[in-house]
Amino acid sequence: GESVGLHLPTLSVQEGDNSIINCAYSNSASDYFIWYKQESGKGPQFIIDIRSNMDKRQGQRVTVLLNKTVKHLSLQIAATQPGDSAVYFCAEKKGAAGNKLTFGGGTRVLVKP
Amino acid sequence: ETGVTQSPTHLIKTRGQQVTLRCSSQSGHNTVSWYQQALGQGPQFIFQYYREEENGRGNFPPRFSGLQFPNYSSELNVNALELDDSALYLCASSLAAGASYEQYFGPGTRLTVT
Repeated sequence: GESVGLHLPTLSVQEGDNSIINCAYSNSASDYFIWYKQESGKGPQFIIDIRSNMDKRQGQRVTVLLNKTVKHLSLQIAATQPGDSAVYFCAEKKGAAGNKLTFGGGTRVLVKP
Repeated sequence: ETGVTQSPTHLIKTRGQQVTLRCSSQSGHNTVSWYQQALGQGPQFIFQYYREEENGRGNFPPRFSGLQFPNYSSELNVNALELDDSALYLCASSLAAGASYEQYFGPGTRLTVT
């Protein structure tokens, strides 16, 4: 069945260092892969997405890499800041299923000063 | 802030009762999706409404039902509440129902069933 999962439940990173959050997926038919950030008491916030026909996309301080060969997705955060402390989820969408998101279980990122 | 609002913020109900949660979508958005997020887990898709019609449903029993109104706001109704229904309920709105459209989440309603 469909599943989107994460390798590490918690990631501690020193302020200023780069963070890498990983995600494995099983549904090769997905059209979009998305990263969300969820802070305590808030709903998920869109960070960046990537279409399945791409392997890399960059945003402000973030880069998403997609490796379809091994069904792996990663989010890189450059120069991690205290405000980056949150739970990060990867999610996927299939075009035929419309705008339904399938989420993984999340990785908590803790930024140490 | 996404412009998506939900009410109430918190709610405590007793097993067997019924609950209605509300969501106001971002201005101009005609699609609303509802998700259930249990503690420590990722959100799970409940259903989606597009232009007042249900447009896809996840693996939730019929006691989870919804509505979308002409102004595109939406309600989630849950009947015969069970303890496992305790969760954060999130709604997300988008410009349309296609996969290319970004979803904007509200802050959620925290439901506790005792």
